[in-house]
Amino acid sequence: DSGVTQTPKHLITATGQRVTLRCSPRSGDLSVYWYQQSLDQGLQFLIQYYNGEERAKGNILERFSAQQFPDLHSELNLSSLELGDSALYFCASSVVAGGPGGYNEQFFGPGTRLTVL
Amino acid sequence: GENVEQHPSTLSVQEGDSAVIKCTYSDSASNYFPWYKQELGKRPQLIIDIRSNVGEKKDQRIAVTLNKTAKHFSLHITETQPEDSAVYFCAASSGEDNYGQNFVFGPGTRLSVLP
Repeated sequence: DSGVTQTPKHLITATGQRVTLRCSPRSGDLSVYWYQQSLDQGLQFLIQYYNGEERAKGNILERFSAQQFPDLHSELNLSSLELGDSALYFCASSVVAGGPGGYNEQFFGPGTRLTVL
Repeated sequence: GENVEQHPSTLSVQEGDSAVIKCTYSDSASNYFPWYKQELGKRPQLIIDIRSNVGEKKDQRIAVTLNKTAKHFSLHITETQPEDSAVYFCAASSGEDNYGQNFVFGPGTRLSVLP
């Protein structure tokens, strides 16, 4: 158990709908990262927040958005869902903002499996 | 943008042999290179990482080498054991120190260690 929690574990919804995935980082971690893992796209970095502020952005679609709240939990919002959005969504947390000079280990949560029908 | 290639896509070795997985990246600004292991149905776990100012790093049976000039880095696992069987992902990351990191992952290598 990494100490990172994600809810829900599974989510089944229909095309066009909107869902919210939730992540609570390890105690003391200020950074939260979101990833999408699908069979055809592999593991993709979506976005990073540090202490409530967006710090890095990957291949995140405009239909997706995220935020990190004052209690450091984070939510990933996915809207106008398409079949291709079906994937495993991981969040990860780390103590620091990251970069080559510091201690960078990220701890992954168990993931939320999203199925869009 | 950054592109990370990873080879081979599958690798089978006999228990006790060595395994080598190679990755290349395209963005010379990448400065941090982690390797993750993901067992079936589980979350990715960091197994080793290397920074751009270091050429090699070792942790027990696992080592990583980085050639910045050629833009490639490799994972070496010696004395492989059945529990090393998993999918391994390399990643290249760029970003300002202590500010944030943008990651691009390779497609993964499925390693099978045969007893």
